[in-house]
Formats: sequence, structure tokens, C-alpha cells
Amino acid sequence: GAVVSQHPSRVICKSGTSVKIECRSLDFQATTMFWYRQFPKQSLMLMATSNEGSKATYEQGVEKDKFLINHASLTLSTLTVTSAHPEDSSFYICSARTGGTSPLHFGNGTRLTVT
Amino acid sequence: GIQVEQSPPDLILQEGANSTLRCNFSDSVNNLQWFHQNPWGQLINLFYIPSGTKQNGRLSATTVATERYSLLYISSSQTTDSGVYFCAVERSSGTYKYIFGTGTRLKVLA
Repeated sequence: GAVVSQHPSRVICKSGTSVKIECRSLDFQATTMFWYRQFPKQSLMLMATSNEGSKATYEQGVEKDKFLINHASLTLSTLTVTSAHPEDSSFYICSARTGGTSPLHFGNGTRLTVT
Repeated sequence: GIQVEQSPPDLILQEGANSTLRCNFSDSVNNLQWFHQNPWGQLINLFYIPSGTKQNGRLSATTVATERYSLLYISSSQTTDSGVYFCAVERSSGTYKYIFGTGTRLKVLA
């Protein structure tokens, strides 16, 4: 149980275009989803927290207009990287939990390369 | 914000050896998880352990929340144990978000 599906696993896009990443909880309802970003040989950095039906809460230093997060249902959250630039190239990972103190379950991540 | 430090940062073991990884955190926490990130980037949930001790096969973990640390024990290591081990904590202050530690990069040699 507690499977989180993330798509696509890899994406290459040209500078200036937008990319959408989907995160789905397949067998549970996720009241809260989190988006993390990981640069090579570094830890995971929390970008934002999204709750179903409300606006996402972004961490300090994360541009909300660049990283659009939508949590439209209890099983789906999306991250859109708008006007992507090479410095946005990174590994993006979503996670979900069923309630306030439940464990985190992670998707397999999306490796974004902006050329 | 809360600081989560892991030690050692890097570790090389011969197959069959035992090891202890440590996670120190600077504030009281509600929850703590240990993850293994494999070479493909997948995060495998090892333990959900806000306090106490748990065991799963060759792995075990202990969290002493009052002293703000957690330990992950790997016994009889195998080459498939290679990767990066992260602890992640949720502060008690009710933010409901997990902050990741700095990680321990483990390489097990055949």
C-alpha cells in the first residue's frame, strides 16, 4: 500500500518552455503533498507544501510564480516549472501523506534537464 | 529552522561489515523517518521511528527523542546497501513538513 506515482521520470526541454510534473497517490487519499528538489550529491530541499483545495505554501527562496503547484484533488498534485532555464535542471521528487502525523511516501522522482 | 546533521558524511565498508549511522536534530520532533536513496534516485522508506527501536532484517533503528538523535544500524552489509541514507524529521511545532538531513553516502565493496 501507500504508492505514489510520479510522471514523467525524465524530461528534457528547451529553455523558455514550461514543464508539468504529476504526482498521484494511487491507493490512498493524500491530504498533504510535498515537493522537494535535489541537486547532485546534495540533500533534498523542501520547495513547497500543498494541501488539497488550497494554495500551496512555498519555502523561503522558492519563486511561486516560477514553480506553480496545484493540488486539485486528494490524489493529484502537479508542479509546473514555467519558463524553464538551465539552472532549473534538477531532480524533483514529490511525497504524500494521509494526515498530519503520518509517514511520508515518495514518488520515484523526475529528472529535469533544460537545454 | 531545525538543523538535521548526519554522520559520517561518507562511509566505505567491506561486504559483511557492520555500521552505525547517526542523525542529530536541533529541536524536538514529532516524527522521524529513515530513507535509502538508491543510485537511480528512488527513496526507499526504511523506518518510521519517532521514538524507540525497530528492526527489519539486517537493519535496525533507534530514536532517542529526548536527546535529539537517531541511529541506523546496518549489519552484515551487502553491495546492494550502497547509496545515500537520509533521515528526515518533522518538528513538534506543527508545521507538518519533513526536513531532510545532510545524508550519509555509503559504499559497500565486494
